[in-house]
Amino acid sequence: AIQLTQSPSSLSASVGDRVTITCRASQGISSSLAWYQQKPGKAPNLLIYDASTLESGVPSRFSGSGSGTDFTLTISSLQPEDFATYYCQQFNNYPPLTFGGGTKVEIK
Amino acid sequence: EAHLVQSGAEVKKPGATVKISCKVSGYTFSDYYIHWVQKAPGKGLEWMGFLDPEDGEEIYAETFQGRVTITADTSTNTAYMELTSLRSEDTAVYYCATHGPRGLFFDHWGQGTLVTVSS
Repeated sequence: AIQLTQSPSSLSASVGDRVTITCRASQGISSSLAWYQQKPGKAPNLLIYDASTLESGVPSRFSGSGSGTDFTLTISSLQPEDFATYYCQQFNNYPPLTFGGGTKVEIK
Repeated sequence: EAHLVQSGAEVKKPGATVKISCKVSGYTFSDYYIHWVQKAPGKGLEWMGFLDPEDGEEIYAETFQGRVTITADTSTNTAYMELTSLRSEDTAVYYCATHGPRGLFFDHWGQGTLVTVSS
């Protein structure tokens, strides 16, 4: 199974900060990576797929990059509604489909 | 627009079985797999498996193999996830989710069902 390692596992940031989260795959997955945002008590919400394609309706401050084994989610200017946990997910090799361990973005 | 509505919270004793439903609307039920994802307290998301409503093919994660069964009733556009031999570690929110033609990532989710396993 392909393992996804996210870093950091948590971070503290202020409104307006630029935030970067990384996701490393245990083997190459081409660009078959998605990013989700999850808030407490809510279902995850798709932000980005195919490593860098922004889902319709997602603010442009979110961006994704990478291919192969190393991927990045960037929030260019953190907004109050962005405090949440973020997950990456690979869909290149299955079963199983796998998620990263998550990155919790907290208010500084 | 796809819409997935799950059944309500459950409280079960260790060793029991739980069966959760996920009613789908807004698209042709047989077009896309139905997946189930576990979110346990303090842990990340874990994919449990999927069912292809068109041909009934089931694929499960090794972690849950032998204890989970995903089924579908195409007459009511409803999917089900049954988890047996429940233990305290199965206390979690369970989500159904579906993908579209773009790939096996999840663009629509149910609201989640909390299952509490406690004696």
